[in-house]
Formats: sequence, structure tokens, C-alpha cells
Amino acid sequence: KQEVTQIPAALSVPEGENLVLNCSFTDSAIYNLQWFRQDPGKGLTSLLLIQSSQREQTSGRLNASLDKSSGRSTLYIAASQPGDSATYLCAVSAGNQFYFGTGTSLTVIP
Amino acid sequence: SQTIHQWPATLVQPVGSPLSLECTVEGTSNPNLYWYRQAAGRGLQLLFYSVGIGQISSEVPQNLSASRPQDRQFILSSKKLLLSDSGFYLCAWSRGGSSADEFLGKNIQYFGAGTRLSVL
Repeated sequence: KQEVTQIPAALSVPEGENLVLNCSFTDSAIYNLQWFRQDPGKGLTSLLLIQSSQREQTSGRLNASLDKSSGRSTLYIAASQPGDSATYLCAVSAGNQFYFGTGTSLTVIP
Repeated sequence: SQTIHQWPATLVQPVGSPLSLECTVEGTSNPNLYWYRQAAGRGLQLLFYSVGIGQISSEVPQNLSASRPQDRQFILSSKKLLLSDSGFYLCAWSRGGSSADEFLGKNIQYFGAGTRLSVL
């Protein structure tokens, strides 16, 4: 069964710093990988989706990479802002099923 | 555009009482629908998913059940709630019906706002 792991579980950085969140998965037979943001007590918002044939996707200050063969993805956040504080989750899909990591709780200190 | 509605936002129920959470999707047809539970400090646990009316797949044996009476309606139920049923419940949808998006890996999952359930 697919297992998704996110490291670190929590991260605290000063404003303006660049940072990297990590996601690893055990089964490389995936259709895509998604990064989500979750604010406290809220639902998930999709940030980036990388298809299995792609290696990276960019949206504004966010860049996500995918190395399917090694079962890894990273989410790079440039010039972090206090508004980036949230929990970030990655999920891999195989057809109509999605498998989630436990998330990284990010705090950006002003 | 597509939207997903989930209600209620919060719910406090006594142990042994029934449960009904509802989720509806607008602006699309034949979506895949999902119920997840997120316990404090833990990741999302897939409870049920559905690829069509009346088609329900259960991922985890538990005190809960799901039904899909209409194409864009997904209901999570319980006859008797347990303390361990407390958590944050999320409904989600993605394009289904063997769509090209699904097989090409373009299938984005969209989430509702969630229901905070406290069983006391």
C-alpha cells in the first residue's frame, strides 16, 4: 500500500527566508502528486499539481519538483511571508484514489 | 465553475446519537466523491470514495457508512456515534467517469470547508 511521508513535521522560519518542504512516497506508480495548503480549521486548497510525466511546476513563489523514480517531491517557497503560515500536505494519486502525507506545519515569523 | 458545499461546519453530538453529514458538488457531472477524516495531529484518512451513484468503496472498517443517492450528493452517516468518531471530516471531489484528466494525471482534488465533529 502507498505510504506518504512528510519531513519535517513542523518548521519555523523568519520572514524572507527561502525554505524547502519534503515529501516521499513508497510506490512510484503514481498518476500525479499534489501539494495542498490547509489553514487551521479549514479545508484543503490545492497549490500545485505535477503529473507523473512532469518534473516540476511553478506558481508565483512556489516551485514543486517531482522525482518519481526515487519517490520524492519538494515544495520550495521563496521569500517566505507570515501569510504562508499553514500546514502543507502532499498527496499522490493512483487513478481515483489519493494518498496523503501527515503534513508540515509551517510558521513564518514576522 | 465548480463548487463544493459541505455542512454543517461544526457539530456537537452525544455518544450513541445518529450522524448525517452532507456534501454536494455543483458545476460538474459524474464526479468522484470522497470522505476523509482528519484526527488531531494525524494525516487525512480516506473513509469512503464513490465513482458513481450507489457505488461506495470503504477504505476502513468502522462505525460509519456513506451513501450517494444522487450524482452530486455524498452523505456520511452513523447510526450510533462513538467518542472515537470525533474529528474533522472533509468531503472532496475530482473529475471522474474515466475522464482523460484522470488517466493523464491531471486530476486535481477539490475540498470542502470541513465539518468539525465533537462527540461527547
